[in-house]
Amino acid sequence: GDSVTQMEGPVTLSEEAFLTINCTYTATGYPSLFWYVQYPGEGLQLLLKATKADDKGSNKGFEATYRKETTSFHLEKGSVQVSDSAVYFCALSGEWNTGNQFYFGTGTSLTVIP
Amino acid sequence: GAVVSQHPSRVICKSGTSVKIECRSLDFQATTMFWYRQFPKQSLMLMATSNEGSKATYEQGVEKDKFLINHASLTLSTLTVTSAHPEDSSFYICSASGLGHGYTFGSGTRLTVV
Repeated sequence: GDSVTQMEGPVTLSEEAFLTINCTYTATGYPSLFWYVQYPGEGLQLLLKATKADDKGSNKGFEATYRKETTSFHLEKGSVQVSDSAVYFCALSGEWNTGNQFYFGTGTSLTVIP
Repeated sequence: GAVVSQHPSRVICKSGTSVKIECRSLDFQATTMFWYRQFPKQSLMLMATSNEGSKATYEQGVEKDKFLINHASLTLSTLTVTSAHPEDSSFYICSASGLGHGYTFGSGTRLTVV
């Protein structure tokens, strides 16, 4: 069945460091891929998404490229800030708008220290 | 963009009582709503999927009589945790999907049963 495997945390970085959070997936067909972020005390927010191979999602300095050949969707940011401290979830879904459920990774906690 | 409002954001209740959580799509018609539960340090787990006007479809292992889901209109779904116990303490989150709209998450509800 479909699944998402996400890099385990927690991850602690100094401000302005480079961030990579690995995510690989298993799916039939052509899923859409997402990164969600959960800030302390808040619910999930969509960070970025990609709906087809080679698409690059980007938002708030974060980027992730949908790599079908390696079944990956790694999250990257060139220079993290303290405000990026949160839990990041990789997720996949079947066809957009067909009601297919999400499959989430276990989340990666990121702490950025000044 | 699409907005889903979830209330309450936090609730503390006594063991044995029931708690109702509301999920509203504010600016679109949500034909499908999903209810998730997040255990500490774990990913979101889908509890049930509800289509407007139909009975909810529950995932394996989720007690239908304990977690009552009602999706009576295109803008509102409710999750009622009946006879809550401390082990029901968790983070519950809904997401809504409709024609022309992808998945939009509510902000989540932190339930604590004492």
